[in-house]
Amino acid sequence: GAVVSQHPSWVICKSGTSVKIECRSLDFQATTMFWYRQFPKQSLMLMATSNEGSKATYEQGVEKDKFLINHASLTLSTLTVTSAHPEDSSFYICSARDPGDGSPLHFGNGTRLTVT
Amino acid sequence: GQNIDQPTEMTATEGAIVQINCTYQTSGFNGLFWYQQHAGEAPTFLSYNVLDGLEEKGRFSSFLSRSKGYSYLLLKELQMKDSASYLCAAMDSNYQLIWGAGTKLIIKP
Repeated sequence: GAVVSQHPSWVICKSGTSVKIECRSLDFQATTMFWYRQFPKQSLMLMATSNEGSKATYEQGVEKDKFLINHASLTLSTLTVTSAHPEDSSFYICSARDPGDGSPLHFGNGTRLTVT
Repeated sequence: GQNIDQPTEMTATEGAIVQINCTYQTSGFNGLFWYQQHAGEAPTFLSYNVLDGLEEKGRFSSFLSRSKGYSYLLLKELQMKDSASYLCAAMDSNYQLIWGAGTKLIIKP
């Protein structure tokens, strides 16, 4: 079945640095990928919708200049957390839809970001 | 390894009750989530259980048994709009979400 690979699984960085998270669809082309954020014991919150070849659509309250999304190819979307702060520490998860099989979104396993 | 099992597809009748089961095996446990997802849309959060027992929220209820590695989502008074996929996800000790493949629920009039 379709697989979405997300890398890295976890990352620790210092405050003020930037972190890039990759989301890859391994066996299908994904014109649309979704990025979510989840705090411990809370629900998944949609951050933005990443569209191949165009600008991402951000949800209300999500800073587009802080969370840079690039969807340069049909199999790769990246989320860059710029100038990270401790409050950005969270669990980030991507998902992608395979338009060819009509199935639900396929999810990556997520990235645990800790900013010290 | 870590694993989530839930049925691939279920069919129920409008107005009836349906129970969607989920079993999980994770390295540590930090709660179990249920999400609803309509085709082509982002999932929407339904419930979160971290303690044993039943959590009721309107027409939807979720149950957890940590000792059995088991959860179920109960949907009452089914409506046509409930036709969707229902995703079960368990959070392990590293706060990684282990997702099930989803149960496609088909509601018939």
